Amino acid sequence: GAVVSQHPSRVICKSGTSVKIECRSLDFQATTMFWYRQFPKQSLMLMATSNEGSKATYEQGVEKDKFLINHASLTLSTLTVTSAHPEDSSFYICSATDRARNTEAFFGQGTRLTVV
Amino acid sequence: RKEVEQDPGPFNVPEGATVAFNCTYSNSASQSFFWYRQDCRKEPKLLMSVYSSGNEDGRFTAQLNRASQYISLLIRDSKLSDSATYLCAVRDNTDKLIFGTGTRLQVFP
Repeated sequence: GAVVSQHPSRVICKSGTSVKIECRSLDFQATTMFWYRQFPKQSLMLMATSNEGSKATYEQGVEKDKFLINHASLTLSTLTVTSAHPEDSSFYICSATDRARNTEAFFGQGTRLTVV
Repeated sequence: RKEVEQDPGPFNVPEGATVAFNCTYSNSASQSFFWYRQDCRKEPKLLMSVYSSGNEDGRFTAQLNRASQYISLLIRDSKLSDSATYLCAVRDNTDKLIFGTGTRLQVFP
């Protein structure tokens, strides 16, 4: 079945630094990927829709200059958390759908970000 | 009002019990409906899609009521391994998948 791979699974960084998270579709082409964030004991909140070859679409309240999304190929989307602060510590997770086969959404393994 | 709402629980039930979760959604243009299971600190895993006619997969039964805009999940004969958070998700016509807050289930011996 389709697989989405996310890397890194865990990262600890210092305040003020930037962190890049990669999301890859391994055996299908994903023209669209989605980025979510989940705080402890809360639901997955959609942050943005990553569109291959064009700008990402951000949900209300999500700062596009802070959360940079790049979807340069049909199998890779990256999320960069710029100038990270402790309040950005969260579980970030991507998903993609194989539209050619009209599958359900597949999720990456998630990235647990801790900003110290 | 949130787009997708669930009772966060927790639901604490003994092994063998039957438990039901409900979820309501606000967007009448929603296209597809799903139940996901999420274990602690892991990504969500698809449990089952929800169809208008209702569908069953072993001990799990899902139903959709479009008129009232809610979906449900019934778990029969609960197992200890069913302990997890159950998320309902709704996909709109832009392919976005919107999740509810999740309902936490704890099955005890």
